[in-house]
Amino acid sequence: QKEVEQDPGPLSVPEGAIVSLNCTYSNSAFQYFMWYRQYSRKGPELLMYTYSSGNKEDGRFTAQVDKSSKYISLFIRDSQPSDSATYLCAMEETGGFKTIFGAGTRLFVKA
Amino acid sequence: DGGITQSPKYLFRKEGQNVTLSCEQNLNHDAMYWYRQDPGQGLRLIYYSQIVNDFQKGDIAEGYSVSREKKESFPLTVTSAQKNPTAFYLCASSMTVEAFFGQGTRLTVV
Repeated sequence: QKEVEQDPGPLSVPEGAIVSLNCTYSNSAFQYFMWYRQYSRKGPELLMYTYSSGNKEDGRFTAQVDKSSKYISLFIRDSQPSDSATYLCAMEETGGFKTIFGAGTRLFVKA
Repeated sequence: DGGITQSPKYLFRKEGQNVTLSCEQNLNHDAMYWYRQDPGQGLRLIYYSQIVNDFQKGDIAEGYSVSREKKESFPLTVTSAQKNPTAFYLCASSMTVEAFFGQGTRLTVV
């Protein structure tokens, strides 16, 4: 079993839809939970991260962490064609140097 | 502008050859990383370095080698021992939680 599981998709939605991206994990020591966005043939860029449990909102993006279920989510409201990319979840232990990445979910937002 | 520069963007390797991928950063970060990305598998850690002259094997280090002689530079050599080197290679650096990535090198065996 992988430490971090993420459905690779692809996920196709119409413009304006609410998108839900999810990851599950098995390592209860993870404390930092991150979402990266990667456009085709580019390096990933950090969208947002949360520490421990709870929600975090940044514009149209909301990250949720449920440590009791070992489940994290990224919601995108009013999705735009420019949101079309691969979204990677990533996790790290406190004081750790190794970040564990999910497989990434390819998202297509149709105009 | 601060950032991470990877070169070349595309690289072709013949069977049995060693090739070296360049990674340079001007962010003054201590930690640097090399990842390999294959379709459907996310990022897998090859090597990482927390400080100059020190580096650690990641999850898939076999067939690869690195050096960290300068804080700014962390080159990756793909040796002939790596049997399936065709992939997208990403270099990253970090100071805290956030990792900053280069634009990647796509390596193809011909």
